[in-house]
Amino acid sequence: RKEVEQDPGPFNVPEGATVAFNCTYSNSASQSFFWYRQDCRKEPKLLMSVYSSGNEDGRFTAQLNRASQYISLLIRDSKLSDSATYLCVVSLRNYGGSQGNLIFGKGTKLSVKP
Amino acid sequence: DGGITQSPKYLFRKEGQNVTLSCEQNLNHDAMYWYRQDPGQGLRLIYYSQIVNDFQKGDIAEGYSVSREKKESFPLTVTSAQKNPTAFYLCASSVEATGEKLFFGSGTQLSVL
Repeated sequence: RKEVEQDPGPFNVPEGATVAFNCTYSNSASQSFFWYRQDCRKEPKLLMSVYSSGNEDGRFTAQLNRASQYISLLIRDSKLSDSATYLCVVSLRNYGGSQGNLIFGKGTKLSVKP
Repeated sequence: DGGITQSPKYLFRKEGQNVTLSCEQNLNHDAMYWYRQDPGQGLRLIYYSQIVNDFQKGDIAEGYSVSREKKESFPLTVTSAQKNPTAFYLCASSVEATGEKLFFGSGTQLSVL
């Protein structure tokens, strides 16, 4: 069963706050993990890949826990411009031997308030 | 500037009508994809193409058709057989063969009159 689960939120936080999202996945064969950002009625854009050792890009930190099958995204010093929906994406590469095997979560909505 | 262009931005379909959504990319990507997004839902794959003149069904291909006659173009036709076509349609392409890092067009909102 292919499934990626996220808390839909919304997460309402003040500017400057630190906020974290988790995403769980059910298929232990999942191989690659990503966070995409989607603004309202816009296209998703790749925010960052998630590596086994964890990775950081400025105020954003992504972590992967294979044993517990979840990934996380931490945003420090939140900005108003961080308000968006964050999509967790899992790749079942080689699932059925085919391409097009990205599984998208439904997204977590973040709203950063002044 | 390189990118993916979808048109139109808004499209209305009458009962029994076929409509075609355009997707053009100048990123020189081999792989292209069509996704459907419903409110509060994750993206679902309709069709994808890894190379010109070849395409594969995704998870929800029924009621849709595609063609890939040129590398740059991957139009999607929503046929009358698709009974619930109202959704936000996103076209994407990827430079990697695994199709993991996607570049999306700005989307087409399709509604039924």
